[in-house]
Amino acid sequence: QKEVEQDPGPLSVPEGAIVSLNCTYSNSAFQYFMWYRQYSRKGPELLMYTYSSGNKEDGRFTAQVDKSSKYISLFIRDSQPSDSATYLCAMSEGTGGFKTIFGAGTRLFVKA
Amino acid sequence: DSGVTQTPKHLITATGQRVTLRCSPRSGDLSVYWYQQSLDQGLQFLIQYYNGEERAKGNILERFSAQQFPDLHSELNLSSLELGDSALYFCASSVGHGGLAGGDGELFFGEGSRLTVL
Repeated sequence: QKEVEQDPGPLSVPEGAIVSLNCTYSNSAFQYFMWYRQYSRKGPELLMYTYSSGNKEDGRFTAQVDKSSKYISLFIRDSQPSDSATYLCAMSEGTGGFKTIFGAGTRLFVKA
Repeated sequence: DSGVTQTPKHLITATGQRVTLRCSPRSGDLSVYWYQQSLDQGLQFLIQYYNGEERAKGNILERFSAQQFPDLHSELNLSSLELGDSALYFCASSVGHGGLAGGDGELFFGEGSRLTVL
C-alpha cells in the first residue's frame, strides 16, 4: 500500500462547477499537507499549504485536513478552464523537502 | 517562471547508454532536489544536495548519481539506461533544507527533462 493514495482521474467538469479533489494517507505522523498544481509540460507549483488539521481558504481554493480519517481535500469553487491541470497532494512529517511524499496526481479538465 | 532551469527538455536515447541532466537553481537557493515522475508512480524523491553536500537520498538507483557544483548547479547522471528509466526528471530548489511553504523551504520546480529510452 502506498503511503499516499490519490485517484488519478481524469476528472472532467463544466465551467463553474465545484471540484473536490482528495487524498488518503497511512502515516499518522504527517503534519504538513500541501497541494501542488502542475500544468501540462510544466513543473509542479505550490498551491496551498496546511499544518495539522483544519481548513484553509485562498480565493476560490479551500484545503481541508482530517487527520482522524487520514484524509485531505482540495475544493475549487467556480472552476475555470484555466484550472485544468494535474493536482498533486503532498505531505510531510516535518521540515526537509526530501521528507515530502507526493500523491500520483489527479488530472482535472474544466470544460468551457 | 519558477527560476529553476533544466536542460535538456527532451532526450531520447538507447538502452545501455548514459545521460546527464543539468539543473540551475533559483538565484540564492542552496538546496537542489531531484525527482522522477512516471505515470504510475507519481513524483519520487531521488536525492537532495545542500550547498554542495549530499543531504538526503531517496529511492535512487545505484546506476544514478548526482552532484552539486560550487556554483550550485547540479547534474544528475543516469547510466546503463533501461526502458523503465523513461520518465520526467524534475529538479527543484529551495533556500534552506526544508520543503515547506512560507519559509525558506518552499520547493520551486523546473519544467523537467523528459527522458525516453528506446
